[in-house]
Order: sequence, then structure tokens, then C-alpha cells
Amino acid sequence: KAGVTQTPRYLIKTRGQQVTLSCSPISGHRSVSWYQQTPGQGLQFLFEYFSETQRNKGNFPGRFSGRQFSNSRSEMNVSTLELGDSALYLCASSFLGRDDTDTQYFGPGTRLTVL
Amino acid sequence: SQQGEEDPQALSIQEGENATMNCSYKTSINNLQWYRQNSGRGLVHLILIRSNEREKHSGRLRVTLDTSKKSSSLLITASRAADTASYFCATDAKGAQKLVFGQGTRLTINP
Repeated sequence: KAGVTQTPRYLIKTRGQQVTLSCSPISGHRSVSWYQQTPGQGLQFLFEYFSETQRNKGNFPGRFSGRQFSNSRSEMNVSTLELGDSALYLCASSFLGRDDTDTQYFGPGTRLTVL
Repeated sequence: SQQGEEDPQALSIQEGENATMNCSYKTSINNLQWYRQNSGRGLVHLILIRSNEREKHSGRLRVTLDTSKKSSSLLITASRAADTASYFCATDAKGAQKLVFGQGTRLTINP
């Protein structure tokens, strides 16, 4: 099976702009989670989608949003970009998302730089 | 806030030696997972240990879990240069519905 793919891999934006990142999960996986990774805060959970519904959300401002489509592909959007949004954004997919042995498979990430 | 705290933050050893990394967490968990990340790339799942398990092996990896101490350790035996990476523990806390990652241990294997 193909792994989790994320597009684009690299992105440069300026403050105030908005950005949309895309994630295609492993075929058959219905849960998609998003994480933000920065040197200062480490890996932080953004949100999880399962069957097109947001099932859980981390402690991020409303500028961060996401959605999931019927084919399980997911997008996340960040509006009104700030310098602090510069980070590696990682997407992870899993089959069910809530089984206690369910493994999350991560994509390569999208490196977002905000100037 | 981070659930897992990892120790040490950085570890440098010679090729062939064993590397041990520790993870402590705060709340009750369903399972604990270890991941590897090569510089700025995605995370690779290494091993998952359930809360009712005490030890698990996978190739050169050995993971232990002590729920009474809320701690886990990852042992990499006979290290290789390719093991150079950051290693993260992640806890699937009961009721949390998300993975919470530690800050990671940066492992460097010197040839």
C-alpha cells in the first residue's frame, strides 16, 4: 500500500495570508490526525477527523481548521498566518483511530515558513 | 502541555553500543508508542506497548513499561549509524482520544 502523502512538501507564505495543506491517508484508513511540530513546542495535536467528522481538537486558535472528504482525504487550513505558525505540519492516518492497538502512520510533513 | 517527558534530551554513543532512552508520563494510558524521526521528516512508528504489557521486543528494539511508575524505556541494541535520529514516546491516554508526544531524545551514533 502507498503511504500517507502530504502536499505540498514546502510552502513559503507571508503574514496575513492563508494556506491549505492536503493529506491523503493510506487506502482504507478512515481516521486522519494533524500535528504541528516546532522546535519550541514540540509535537502538538491539532485535530482528528473520522468519517468526515471532527472527533477531537487540540488547543489551537480558530484560525486553524480542517475538513475530511468522503474518500478520507483531509485538508487543513490556516488563516491570517502569523510568524509563529512556521512549523512542520504532520498528518497521520489510522484504520479506526480509537482501537487501543491502532497505529498511526505519518506522512513526510509539509514545511511551512511564514515570512 | 506534553504528557511525556523524555530523558536524556540528547545522547551520543559509539556504533555498536546500546542506547537507552526513557519516557515518563502523567496520566493513565491505553498504550504507549515509540516513534523515530529522521531530521525534519515524518515519524516512523517503531513499537506499541499496551498498558497491560510489561515488555516488548522488535528486532534490536526492546521496550519496557512500568505503569506503577508511569515510565517506559526504549533500548536499541548494537546501534548503527542509521539509528541516528530523534526518538519520541507518545501516549494514548485514557479518554484523551489523541496521541500526546514527548519532546524527544536526539540520538547520535558515532562511527
